[in-house]
Amino acid sequence: ETGVTQTPRHLVMGMTNKKSLKCEQHLGHNAMYWYKQSAKKPLELMFVYSLEERVENNSVPSRFSPECPNSSHLFLHLHTLQPEDSALYLCASSQDPPLAGVTGELFFGEGSRLTVL
Amino acid sequence: AQKITQTQPGMFVQEKEAVTLDCTYDTSDQSYGLFWYKQPSSGEMIFLIYQGSYDEQNATEGRYSLNFQKARKSANLVISASQLGDSAMYFCAMTLFAGGTSYGKLTFGQGTILTVHP
Repeated sequence: ETGVTQTPRHLVMGMTNKKSLKCEQHLGHNAMYWYKQSAKKPLELMFVYSLEERVENNSVPSRFSPECPNSSHLFLHLHTLQPEDSALYLCASSQDPPLAGVTGELFFGEGSRLTVL
Repeated sequence: AQKITQTQPGMFVQEKEAVTLDCTYDTSDQSYGLFWYKQPSSGEMIFLIYQGSYDEQNATEGRYSLNFQKARKSANLVISASQLGDSAMYFCAMTLFAGGTSYGKLTFGQGTILTVHP
């Protein structure tokens, strides 16, 4: 099992569809994140969950709805998206705060590439 | 608010030579961490190296080293003995260690595409 697994890897949806992105981590971390990577823009943090509670929401539109049922799983529910929401959505996990002597880096999945028609 | 600037959209290097990727940052905080990540075409972000703001020595990890110049607020990545597999997008990122803030809240730069020629 790889550390952080995301499904699906590719998703095409219409603006009226409802879909979900799934992320699973096998690293025993206590924090999980959704980042958005759009063309020609830096990665943007969308949501942070620490110990299964949402601790950060960077003013993301309500058409994106996260869910973290336990420390190993994270979902991003999508509904009535816009074409500008087309992007690579990256899930990550980490130990937060880091353990002593550890840098606390994020471990990322390979991303879910979303295209909204 | 913190900001990361990577001024090189693309860099080219000959195989087995060294290359430096530039990164400057802007923050008024004194306690922070700097990261470099590599993103191959597969999309996964791979952690390369970390430097804490209070670390006195430059970080090194195998062929990667971080040239940390705190007064100039720069954190350049040096890759020695480049390999064809080093061709990828490289991102510089920063986190702040303010109390109560998640350490995973990274601010990223725009990235630099590195191409290694045989």
